[in-house]
Formats: sequence, C-alpha cells, structure tokens
Amino acid sequence: SAVISQKPSRDICQRGTSLTIQCQVDSQVTMMFWYRQQPGQSLTLIATANQGSEATYESGFVIDKFPISRPNLTFSTLTVSNLSPEDSSIYLCSVEPGGETQYFGPGTRLLVL
Amino acid sequence: GQQLNQSPQSMFIQEGEDVSMNCTSSSIFNTWLWYKQEPGEGPVLLIALYKAGELTSNGRLTAQFGITRKDSFLNISASIPSDVGIYFCAGMNNDMRFGAGTRLTVKP
Repeated sequence: SAVISQKPSRDICQRGTSLTIQCQVDSQVTMMFWYRQQPGQSLTLIATANQGSEATYESGFVIDKFPISRPNLTFSTLTVSNLSPEDSSIYLCSVEPGGETQYFGPGTRLLVL
Repeated sequence: GQQLNQSPQSMFIQEGEDVSMNCTSSSIFNTWLWYKQEPGEGPVLLIALYKAGELTSNGRLTAQFGITRKDSFLNISASIPSDVGIYFCAGMNNDMRFGAGTRLTVKP
C-alpha cells in the first residue's frame, strides 16, 4: 500500500486564477495519476504522470489547462489554470505501486466563485 | 473510455440488513477493485480481485470476480451505521475504469 497526502485539502478561488495541488507519497512510485470527481459523480482520469517524461492526458483534458509536474518518484503537482466555476470539483491523486491496485489521496476540494 | 455499469445507484437499508451491489461491463478486466468513499475523503480500497471466479472476504465484506471477467459483486453482511458512504467498483487493465457508485444509507 501507500500513504498519500495532498495539499491544500480545500480552497476557494476566484475565476481566472490558478490553483496548484501537491501530492506527496511515502514511497517511490513510478506511476501517479490525477483524477477529477465532479459533485455527485464518479472519478474521471485527467492524466498519468510518470517521472522523467511528459504527462499523458486523457481525451478532453489538455496540458495548457492542467499542467502537471513530476520532479521525482514521490511528488507531483497538478495546476488547474484559468479557473471557472465548472472547475469546482474534488481533485485526487493516486499511485499504483506494484502495478496491481491504485491507492488514492484524500483529495483537494476546489470551489471556484 | 469504457464505463462500468454499477447498480443500484443508491440503497436505503436498516441496520443489520445485508447489502448487495454489482458491476458489469462489456469489456474484460484483469483486475476488479472495490472502493469506499466517505464524505470529505478519498476512495479507500476495500477488496482487490485478481482471478476470474475469485471470492474474497474482508470482515463483513465479500466480493467476487465474475467467471466471464466482465462483472463483479460486493456484499456487506449485517450492515452498521458506519457502512454509510459511496461504494465504487473499478475494472483495471492497463488503465482503470470506475462505476458510477452506489450510495449507501444505513438507518439505525
């Protein structure tokens, strides 16, 4: 398993600004993932972030809107840029140690006014 | 991507009752996973299933990996108030797909 922390746990932002979310893991992992969970919905994968390479984005998500950094094997950031109220969601990071299961962080709750 | 069909969407049950929920897909998965998400938290892994036909228990929870590899169910026996939450199934190959969730309410 893995212990994952996220910062901030929640934030309220003004439209047009950006928010950077940090994800820290207690062990080295190759694969990290960023998900979005809109209110009352299931999880949607935004991108896969592997250390040493560009993030791979899912259909409907672009790097300009969701830039990701993965500087080492225990840390990643997701920035949500040019915020609009439609970006109000929970953002979750997850890791896949061993390639068999994914473990999730506690999430970052974003409200855009 | 391929979404999973999870049912029921919600359940309102009395404490002590048993609960059953399931997921189906038109695609085959190599791994089935069940998560629980409580308010203000991220999903927590409950049970992971790796082989077709596998039946695995975790306390009062039992889950099975369907023989066709296209479905899975989760049972909760003798429910208690702290079972309240949203339960998600997930199918995994090279990537992971989630069901829409089953929202469980347990009345004391």
